Amino acid sequence: QKEVEQNSGPLSVPEGAIASLNCTYSDRGSQSFFWYRQYSGKSPELIMSIYSNGDKEDGRFTAQLNKASQYVSLLIRDSQPSDSATYLCAVNSGWDSSYKLIFGSGTRLLVRP
Amino acid sequence: ETGVTQTPRHLVMGMTNKKSLKCEQHLGHNAMYWYKQSAKKPLELMFVYSLEERVENNSVPSRFSPECPNSSHLFLHLHTLQPEDSALYLCASSQEGTNEKLFFGSGTQLSVL
Repeated sequence: QKEVEQNSGPLSVPEGAIASLNCTYSDRGSQSFFWYRQYSGKSPELIMSIYSNGDKEDGRFTAQLNKASQYVSLLIRDSQPSDSATYLCAVNSGWDSSYKLIFGSGTRLLVRP
Repeated sequence: ETGVTQTPRHLVMGMTNKKSLKCEQHLGHNAMYWYKQSAKKPLELMFVYSLEERVENNSVPSRFSPECPNSSHLFLHLHTLQPEDSALYLCASSQEGTNEKLFFGSGTQLSVL
């Protein structure tokens, strides 16, 4: 069973701090990795994608990928109360199922003013 | 028009009712998806259509019946549902070959009494 694991949280950080969200996955053949943000009562929204080892930065967001450790993370710098949401990690399940993204259960982030 | 629209936003139905969920995408994508999101559980892929052909049926009970008349429209027909089917049903679309970047609709919150 291919799995994506996330700590459910809540992860509570003060405004202005760095929030670090982590995700591990079981399928070594995974090629594509995504972070989605979901506000309460809303649908998931893609915020980052990463395909190769290392860091990828986009504004206040940095995605980090380590395929050897099967680990992907999302850093949010200068956290704002508006960043409070559930963050979903999603992983492509490999070449044998190109349509299938496996989602984690999500980490709830709470940014305190 | 927003990218992916779903109707209705909320639906309450009895176990003997028949209802349908509708999804329309305005992004020019050629793949559409139905996902189920239950509380505290990962997003579950239900069905995938690519170029109007079903390419994935993720062991979903037959009381859920999808229909994709063209690349812009997707339906989920519901009949004789169970209370445990109460969940948020999300439609998504993507462009085949773009590493499964999904764009979600607002979802239908379904309650089965």
